Amino acid sequence: DTGVSQDPRHKITKRGQNVTFRCDPISEHNRLYWYRQTLGQGPEFLTYFQNEAQLEKSRLLSDRFSAERPKGSFSTLEIQRTEQGDSAMYLCASSFLLAGSSYEQYFGPGTRLTVT
Amino acid sequence: SQQGEEDPQALSIQEGENATMNCSYKTSINNLQWYRQNSGRGLVHLILIRSNEREKHSGRLRVTLDTSKKSSSLLITASRAADTASYFCATDSGGFSGGYNKLIFGAGTRLAVHP
Repeated sequence: DTGVSQDPRHKITKRGQNVTFRCDPISEHNRLYWYRQTLGQGPEFLTYFQNEAQLEKSRLLSDRFSAERPKGSFSTLEIQRTEQGDSAMYLCASSFLLAGSSYEQYFGPGTRLTVT
Repeated sequence: SQQGEEDPQALSIQEGENATMNCSYKTSINNLQWYRQNSGRGLVHLILIRSNEREKHSGRLRVTLDTSKKSSSLLITASRAADTASYFCATDSGGFSGGYNKLIFGAGTRLAVHP
């Protein structure tokens, strides 16, 4: 257990439905990241936050995806009008940024999304 | 797009043997990290090596970095059945405010250690 939690762990939904995932990072971490991982591949970066500010979004994050971190603590990732191609493991990670220092990212267990 | 490429894609060895995995990347980096993932689970951070470092050790793990060749290797010595997992290298090329930013992962090496 890395201290990063994600909910739910598994989600099965029908195409066209909206889904929302939650990530609770390690409490003192000011950076939070979302990645997506498909079978047999490494994780791909989606977006990240420093405190409540969303600093970068990948081109993978289409208009149907939105992420928030309203109070700089937990984060949510919403997918609207899900498509079968959205089926993947969604991973959240957190880290602590201190000027001049580098720290590793701690990953949660992931949310596995299946779109039928 | 993925930055790193791991080699081999799959590796099968006996307990007690050493396992070596290689990673190549394309752009300049601030640091390179290795992660482990058990089937269907999250990633666990193993080791981080900065761009100005050439070798780093942690327990049975040894990581090397050659920035001139844009490559890294992970050596697991005296492997155990419990080391069976996928291993990923990930590069951090830095960015706004320095420190860690997004990680770019390779496709991973699937290691199987047989008792």
